[in-house]
Amino acid sequence: SQQGEEDPQALSIQEGENATMNCSYKTSINNLQWYRQNSGRGLVHLILIRSNEREKHSGRLRVTLDTSKKSSSLLITASRAADTASYFCATPPRETSGSRLTFGEGTQLTVNP
Amino acid sequence: DTEVTQTPKHLVMGMTNKKSLKCEQHMGHRAMYWYKQKAKKPPELMFVYSYEKLSINESVPSRFSPECPNSSLLNLHLHALQPEDSALYLCASSRLLGLAGGNEQYFGPGTRLTVT
Repeated sequence: SQQGEEDPQALSIQEGENATMNCSYKTSINNLQWYRQNSGRGLVHLILIRSNEREKHSGRLRVTLDTSKKSSSLLITASRAADTASYFCATPPRETSGSRLTFGEGTQLTVNP
Repeated sequence: DTEVTQTPKHLVMGMTNKKSLKCEQHMGHRAMYWYKQKAKKPPELMFVYSYEKLSINESVPSRFSPECPNSSLLNLHLHALQPEDSALYLCASSRLLGLAGGNEQYFGPGTRLTVT
Protein backbone atom coordinates (compact mmCIF):
# COMPACT_ATOMS: atom_id res chain seq x y z
CA SER A 1 0.00 0.00 0.00
CA GLN A 2 1.16 3.53 -0.65
CA GLN A 3 2.32 5.39 2.41
CA GLY A 4 2.33 8.91 1.09
CA GLU A 5 -0.50 11.12 0.15
CA GLU A 6 0.05 14.25 -1.82
CA ASP A 7 -2.02 17.28 -2.41
CA PRO A 8 -3.07 18.77 -4.58
CA GLN A 9 -3.53 15.92 -7.03
CA ALA A 10 -3.27 18.44 -9.86
CA LEU A 11 -1.96 21.97 -10.02
CA SER A 12 -2.04 24.39 -12.95
CA ILE A 13 -0.11 27.66 -12.82
CA GLN A 14 1.36 30.29 -15.10
CA GLU A 15 5.05 30.47 -15.94
CA GLY A 16 6.91 32.51 -13.35
CA GLU A 17 4.59 31.62 -10.50
CA ASN A 18 5.58 29.44 -7.56
CA ALA A 19 4.23 25.91 -7.14
CA THR A 20 3.80 24.23 -3.78
CA MET A 21 3.09 20.54 -3.36
CA ASN A 22 2.50 18.75 -0.09
CA CYS A 23 3.13 15.19 1.03
CA SER A 24 2.02 13.34 4.15
CA TYR A 25 3.28 9.99 5.35
CA LYS A 26 2.36 7.56 8.08
CA THR A 27 5.39 5.82 9.56
CA SER A 28 8.71 6.98 11.00
CA ILE A 29 11.31 7.70 8.36
CA ASN A 30 15.04 8.25 7.96
CA ASN A 31 14.62 10.51 4.98
CA LEU A 32 12.09 11.72 2.46
CA GLN A 33 12.78 12.11 -1.22
CA TRP A 34 11.13 13.96 -4.08
CA TYR A 35 11.10 12.71 -7.65
CA ARG A 36 9.90 14.18 -10.92
CA GLN A 37 8.43 12.19 -13.80
CA ASN A 38 7.83 13.58 -17.23
CA SER A 39 4.93 11.97 -19.05
CA GLY A 40 5.54 8.27 -19.67
CA ARG A 41 9.20 8.46 -18.69
CA GLY A 42 11.39 7.35 -15.82
CA LEU A 43 11.60 9.18 -12.52
CA VAL A 44 14.34 11.67 -11.76
CA HIS A 45 15.55 12.19 -8.21
CA LEU A 46 15.25 15.84 -7.18
CA ILE A 47 16.18 16.15 -3.55
CA LEU A 48 16.55 14.14 -0.34
CA ILE A 49 15.90 15.57 3.11
CA ARG A 50 16.93 13.66 6.21
CA SER A 51 14.72 13.28 9.26
CA ASN A 52 16.96 15.61 11.31
CA GLU A 53 16.70 18.38 8.71
CA ARG A 54 13.85 20.88 8.53
CA GLU A 55 14.57 22.63 5.25
CA LYS A 56 16.74 22.07 2.21
CA HIS A 57 17.36 24.01 -0.97
CA SER A 58 18.54 22.98 -4.40
CA GLY A 59 18.42 25.61 -7.13
CA ARG A 60 14.77 26.64 -7.51
CA LEU A 61 13.60 23.85 -5.21
CA ARG A 62 12.89 24.23 -1.52
CA VAL A 63 11.83 21.26 0.56
CA THR A 64 10.60 21.34 4.13
CA LEU A 65 10.05 18.44 6.49
CA ASP A 66 7.94 18.40 9.65
CA THR A 67 8.40 15.02 11.32
CA SER A 68 5.96 15.91 14.10
CA LYS A 69 3.20 16.30 11.51
CA LYS A 70 4.65 13.63 9.21
CA SER A 71 4.51 16.01 6.28
CA SER A 72 6.76 17.59 3.69
CA SER A 73 6.35 20.29 1.08
CA LEU A 74 8.11 20.95 -2.20
CA LEU A 75 8.24 24.52 -3.46
CA ILE A 76 9.31 25.28 -7.01
CA THR A 77 10.01 28.97 -7.48
CA ALA A 78 9.79 30.93 -10.73
CA SER A 79 8.27 27.95 -12.53
CA ARG A 80 8.96 27.21 -16.19
CA ALA A 81 6.98 25.29 -18.79
CA ALA A 82 9.69 22.61 -18.59
CA ASP A 83 8.68 21.98 -14.95
CA THR A 84 5.45 20.42 -16.21
CA ALA A 85 5.56 16.88 -14.84
CA SER A 86 4.30 14.63 -12.07
CA TYR A 87 6.00 15.03 -8.71
CA PHE A 88 6.18 12.21 -6.18
CA CYS A 89 7.38 12.08 -2.63
CA ALA A 90 8.94 8.82 -1.52
CA THR A 91 9.92 7.42 1.84
CA PRO A 92 11.92 4.43 3.05
CA PRO A 93 10.21 3.42 6.32
CA ARG A 94 12.65 3.50 9.22
CA GLU A 95 12.03 -0.05 10.37
CA THR A 96 12.63 -1.64 7.00
CA SER A 97 15.56 -1.84 4.67
CA GLY A 98 16.47 1.51 3.20
CA SER A 99 15.95 -0.09 -0.18
CA ARG A 100 12.16 -0.13 -0.01
CA LEU A 101 10.83 3.21 -1.25
CA THR A 102 7.12 3.87 -1.01
CA PHE A 103 5.78 6.57 -3.30
CA GLY A 104 2.97 9.00 -2.69
CA GLU A 105 0.12 9.36 -5.14
CA GLY A 106 1.80 12.30 -6.86
CA THR A 107 0.92 15.81 -7.95
CA GLN A 108 0.48 16.57 -11.64
CA LEU A 109 1.92 20.04 -12.22
CA THR A 110 1.12 21.95 -15.39
CA VAL A 111 2.98 25.20 -16.03
CA ASN A 112 1.36 27.25 -18.75
CA PRO A 113 3.60 29.46 -20.91
CA ASP B 1 27.84 7.51 -16.23
CA THR B 2 24.62 8.01 -14.25
CA GLU B 3 22.35 6.29 -16.71
CA VAL B 4 20.10 3.31 -16.35
CA THR B 5 19.13 1.83 -19.68
CA GLN B 6 16.13 -0.35 -20.42
CA THR B 7 15.21 -2.38 -23.47
CA PRO B 8 12.92 -2.59 -25.27
CA LYS B 9 11.17 0.79 -25.02
CA HIS B 10 7.88 -0.70 -26.15
CA LEU B 11 6.67 -4.29 -26.12
CA VAL B 12 3.42 -5.81 -27.32
CA MET B 13 2.90 -9.45 -26.43
CA GLY B 14 0.14 -11.99 -26.46
CA MET B 15 -0.97 -13.87 -23.38
CA THR B 16 0.85 -17.01 -24.49
CA ASN B 17 4.15 -15.33 -25.31
CA LYS B 18 7.39 -15.38 -23.35
CA LYS B 19 9.43 -12.21 -23.39
CA SER B 20 12.09 -10.50 -21.30
CA LEU B 21 12.75 -6.95 -20.20
CA LYS B 22 16.35 -5.89 -19.72
CA CYS B 23 17.97 -3.26 -17.54
CA GLU B 24 21.60 -2.20 -17.25
CA GLN B 25 23.58 0.23 -15.11
CA HIS B 26 27.29 0.95 -14.79
CA MET B 27 27.30 3.10 -11.68
CA GLY B 28 28.53 0.31 -9.43
CA HIS B 29 25.19 0.20 -7.63
CA ARG B 30 24.56 -3.03 -5.75
CA ALA B 31 20.79 -2.61 -5.39
CA MET B 32 18.50 -2.93 -8.38
CA TYR B 33 14.71 -2.70 -8.55
CA TRP B 34 11.72 -3.46 -10.71
CA TYR B 35 8.62 -1.28 -10.46
CA LYS B 36 5.27 -1.45 -12.20
CA GLN B 37 3.42 1.77 -12.95
CA LYS B 38 -0.12 2.12 -14.21
CA ALA B 39 -1.32 5.34 -15.82
CA LYS B 40 -1.69 8.27 -13.40
CA LYS B 41 -0.53 6.15 -10.46
CA PRO B 42 2.75 6.02 -8.55
CA PRO B 43 5.31 3.27 -9.18
CA GLU B 44 4.69 0.08 -7.24
CA LEU B 45 7.68 -1.91 -6.10
CA MET B 46 7.87 -5.45 -7.46
CA PHE B 47 11.35 -6.79 -6.69
CA VAL B 48 14.60 -5.70 -5.07
CA TYR B 49 18.00 -7.27 -5.65
CA SER B 50 20.85 -6.62 -3.22
CA TYR B 51 24.30 -7.89 -4.18
CA GLU B 52 22.71 -9.92 -6.98
CA LYS B 53 20.41 -11.73 -4.56
CA LEU B 54 16.65 -11.30 -4.45
CA SER B 55 15.92 -9.51 -1.19
CA ILE B 56 12.34 -8.31 -1.66
CA ASN B 57 9.46 -9.84 -3.60
CA GLU B 58 6.30 -7.85 -3.09
CA SER B 59 4.03 -10.88 -3.61
CA VAL B 60 4.34 -10.61 -7.35
CA PRO B 61 2.62 -13.35 -9.41
CA SER B 62 4.96 -16.06 -10.68
CA ARG B 63 4.30 -15.08 -14.28
CA PHE B 64 6.90 -12.37 -13.55
CA SER B 65 10.33 -13.87 -12.95
CA PRO B 66 13.27 -11.60 -12.13
CA GLU B 67 16.91 -12.45 -12.71
CA CYS B 68 20.13 -10.66 -11.84
CA PRO B 69 22.95 -12.27 -13.86
CA ASN B 70 25.58 -9.85 -12.55
CA SER B 71 25.90 -6.57 -10.68
CA SER B 72 25.16 -4.50 -13.80
CA LEU B 73 22.25 -6.38 -15.32
CA LEU B 74 18.69 -7.05 -14.29
CA ASN B 75 16.13 -8.97 -16.28
CA LEU B 76 12.41 -9.49 -15.90
CA HIS B 77 11.10 -12.59 -17.63
CA LEU B 78 7.46 -12.52 -18.61
CA HIS B 79 5.25 -15.53 -19.31
CA ALA B 80 1.51 -16.02 -19.65
CA LEU B 81 0.71 -12.43 -18.79
CA GLN B 82 -2.78 -11.00 -18.52
CA PRO B 83 -4.11 -7.81 -20.15
CA GLU B 84 -4.17 -6.15 -16.73
CA ASP B 85 -0.38 -6.53 -16.61
CA SER B 86 -0.15 -3.84 -19.28
CA ALA B 87 1.82 -1.00 -17.69
CA LEU B 88 5.09 0.92 -17.68
CA TYR B 89 7.83 -1.23 -16.14
CA LEU B 90 10.59 0.76 -14.55
CA CYS B 91 14.02 -0.39 -13.50
CA ALA B 92 16.05 1.51 -10.92
CA SER B 93 19.35 1.18 -9.11
CA SER B 94 20.91 2.65 -5.99
CA ARG B 95 23.77 2.37 -3.60
CA LEU B 96 23.20 0.23 -0.52
CA LEU B 97 23.76 2.43 2.51
CA GLY B 98 21.65 0.72 5.12
CA LEU B 99 19.02 2.22 7.31
CA ALA B 100 20.77 5.45 8.15
CA GLY B 101 21.90 6.40 4.68
CA GLY B 102 20.26 8.09 1.77
CA ASN B 103 19.33 5.79 -1.03
CA GLU B 104 18.30 7.93 -3.95
CA GLN B 105 17.31 5.75 -6.83
CA TYR B 106 18.24 6.21 -10.47
CA PHE B 107 15.52 5.18 -12.86
CA GLY B 108 15.59 3.97 -16.42
CA PRO B 109 13.13 5.33 -18.99
CA GLY B 110 10.91 2.28 -18.69
CA THR B 111 9.40 -0.32 -20.98
CA ARG B 112 5.82 0.31 -22.08
CA LEU B 113 4.24 -3.17 -22.08
CA THR B 114 0.94 -3.98 -23.74
CA VAL B 115 -0.55 -7.44 -23.31
CA THR B 116 -3.14 -8.38 -25.92
